Amino acid sequence: DAKTTQPNSMESNEEEPVHLPCNHSTISGTDYIHWYRQLPSQGPEYVIHGLTSNVNNRMASLAIAEDRKSSTLILHRATLRDAAVYYCILSERGNAGKSTFGDGTTLTVKP
Amino acid sequence: DVKVTQSSRYLVKRTGEKVFLECVQDMDHENMFWYRQDPGLGLRLIYFSYDVKMKEKGDIPEGYSVSREKKERFSLILESASTNQTSMYLCASSLTTPLGPQHFGDGTRLSIL
Repeated sequence: DAKTTQPNSMESNEEEPVHLPCNHSTISGTDYIHWYRQLPSQGPEYVIHGLTSNVNNRMASLAIAEDRKSSTLILHRATLRDAAVYYCILSERGNAGKSTFGDGTTLTVKP
Repeated sequence: DVKVTQSSRYLVKRTGEKVFLECVQDMDHENMFWYRQDPGLGLRLIYFSYDVKMKEKGDIPEGYSVSREKKERFSLILESASTNQTSMYLCASSLTTPLGPQHFGDGTRLSIL
């Protein structure tokens, strides 16, 4: 299974942009890149996903490298409610979207 | 919004008991998944299903079985519970076409005494 690598932790100040990196050098051509976040005592929550092109939604933006071996989740203005563990995963399109979760990045947002 | 409902938020069972964890989704998703989450080990896939009566092993299927008799329901079964199966269990569902994100329930915290 293709795996992802993320920094263990990152810090940000409130109302500043946050760039969360993810490396996935063994990604295959049909793998989707998904980002989830998990707040304490909750299940993971979908944030955004993409295949090749950059994506934007109301929560965040996803920038995908041209060779698809890395991606960056961008939170444009961090709030205290964005403090969570962020997971970057690859979903196998040909296998029911089976995914392997790594350890994620714990984002701390300072007021 | 997609709703994935897990039958219990907290559950306490004894070693050797047969334990059923139930998960129901209301969006007609083809795919359903069971994970366990442990400190320092992240989320690990136990089993998944891409259709009724179909199942595939994930990364850590030992000691578990699953049942999917109806599209909306996916059950995880611990045939003979052991203390090392104390964990947070998370269920998720997703669409196949187009491949959609997984929608998670809030989890069941299972303690085996």
